[in-house]
Amino acid sequence: EVQLVESGGGLVKPGGSLRLSCAASGFTFSSYSMNWVRQAPGKGLEWVSSISSSSSYIYYADSVKGRFTISRDNAKNSLYLQMNSLRAEDTAVYYCARPDTAGVRTLNFDYWGQGTLVTVSS
Amino acid sequence: IQLTQSPSSLSASVGDRVTITCRASQGISSYLAWYQQKPGKAPKLLIYAASTLQSGVPSRFSGSGSGTDFTLTISSLQPEDFATYYCQQLNSYPLTFGQGTKLEIK
Repeated sequence: EVQLVESGGGLVKPGGSLRLSCAASGFTFSSYSMNWVRQAPGKGLEWVSSISSSSSYIYYADSVKGRFTISRDNAKNSLYLQMNSLRAEDTAVYYCARPDTAGVRTLNFDYWGQGTLVTVSS
Repeated sequence: IQLTQSPSSLSASVGDRVTITCRASQGISSYLAWYQQKPGKAPKLLIYAASTLQSGVPSRFSGSGSGTDFTLTISSLQPEDFATYYCQQLNSYPLTFGQGTKLEIK
């Protein structure tokens, strides 16, 4: 069974940093691209970042570029999101997500974690 | 690429046929997915590649379109279908979602 479990969320002051983790199990993690998506309270979904299976290709939303860094450790079956210079508008539930197939092109986000809440407030 | 969903909210009854539209600001071929989200839960994939029904999703859900105009249709609403629906384009980065359509019980 595919499982994605996020952790690392919490309360942080503006300007602070936080590192999110997504522990993957039930599949060959190193074969799949992975993604982070966030959802501010009461708002819609916002794609944050994607990383290819071998970390060769990395993409960011303009809203987080230069502040967030996505990475992965295929030996540990883990995905990470390092978040620096956090702002109030980064407050959201952060989900990691995986496509249904390990193709070259991502066609969907089929598997999602339960999410971890990040609150940026003084 | 901006995705605009319409309507933003919709009231309907059990058994109704419902259509939600997603319009892209530029052509995205068929690289569009639809998700259903219920309060406090992660989104659930319904349809990808514009019209491919994900395994396990009831056949009352269907998708169509290509280029810039797409639709999600629920042929006969069931009580469990009342939720918020999002489209997502996967044609090019940055990936984007529509703003969502909240489907409520009339």
